[in-house]
Amino acid sequence: ETGVTQSPTHLIKTRGQQVTLRCSSQSGHNTVSWYQQALGQGPQFIFQYYREEENGRGNFPPRFSGLQFPNYSSELNVNALELDDSALYLCASSFRDRERGGYTFGSGTRLTVV
Amino acid sequence: DAKTTQPNSMESNEEEPVHLPCNHSTISGTDYIHWYRQLPSQGPEYVIHGLTSNVNNRMASLAIAEDRKSSTLILHRATLRDAAVYYCILRVSGTASKLTFGTGTRLQVTL
Repeated sequence: ETGVTQSPTHLIKTRGQQVTLRCSSQSGHNTVSWYQQALGQGPQFIFQYYREEENGRGNFPPRFSGLQFPNYSSELNVNALELDDSALYLCASSFRDRERGGYTFGSGTRLTVV
Repeated sequence: DAKTTQPNSMESNEEEPVHLPCNHSTISGTDYIHWYRQLPSQGPEYVIHGLTSNVNNRMASLAIAEDRKSSTLILHRATLRDAAVYYCILRVSGTASKLTFGTGTRLQVTL
C-alpha cells in the first residue's frame, strides 16, 4: 500500500502571500485531514474532508481553506500569510469509520513565512 | 475536547520493556484510544488503537483499564529507533473524528 505523500517538503513565503500545499492520500482511504504543528508543540487539527466536503474544522480562520478531489487527494490553501503561520503542515488520511484503524500521516510541508 | 494526560518524558534502556502510561478520565463509551509516535522531522506514525479490550500488533501492545480511564502502551523491547514523542489520543465520535494531540511523552532510549 502507498503512504501519504505531501508536496512541497519545504517552502518559504513572504507575509501577505498565498500558499497551496498538496497531499495524496493512502490508497483506499476516503477521508483526509490537515494539521498544523508549531515547533515544540503537538499537531493542531485544521479541518477534515470527506466526499469532497469539509467535514469538521478546528479553531482556524477562514483564510485557511481546502479541497478534496475525487481521487481523495487534497489541497490546503492559506491566504494572507502571517508570520505565525510558520509551521509544519501535516496531511493525514484514514477510513471514515473509526473502527477501521488509525490515520496515516505524511512527512509534512515545512512552511516558513518571512 | 476529550483530554489525555501523559508524563512529559521517560527513559528506558535498550532491549528493556517500556510502559508508557496515559490517563483519560473523561473518556466516553464510544471514544477509541489511539497511540501515535513522532520521530524528529517526521509526521506522526500510527502505533495502535483499541476500544475496550487489550490489543497487540507487531509494534506494541495496548493495555486498557477495565474502567477505560487509563491505558498503557507497552513496547516489549525498546530499541534506539523507538526514541520518539508518543501521543495518547482519544478519537471521539462525531462527523469529524479528529485527533486532539497533547504534548505527549518524549521517550529516550539509551544503550
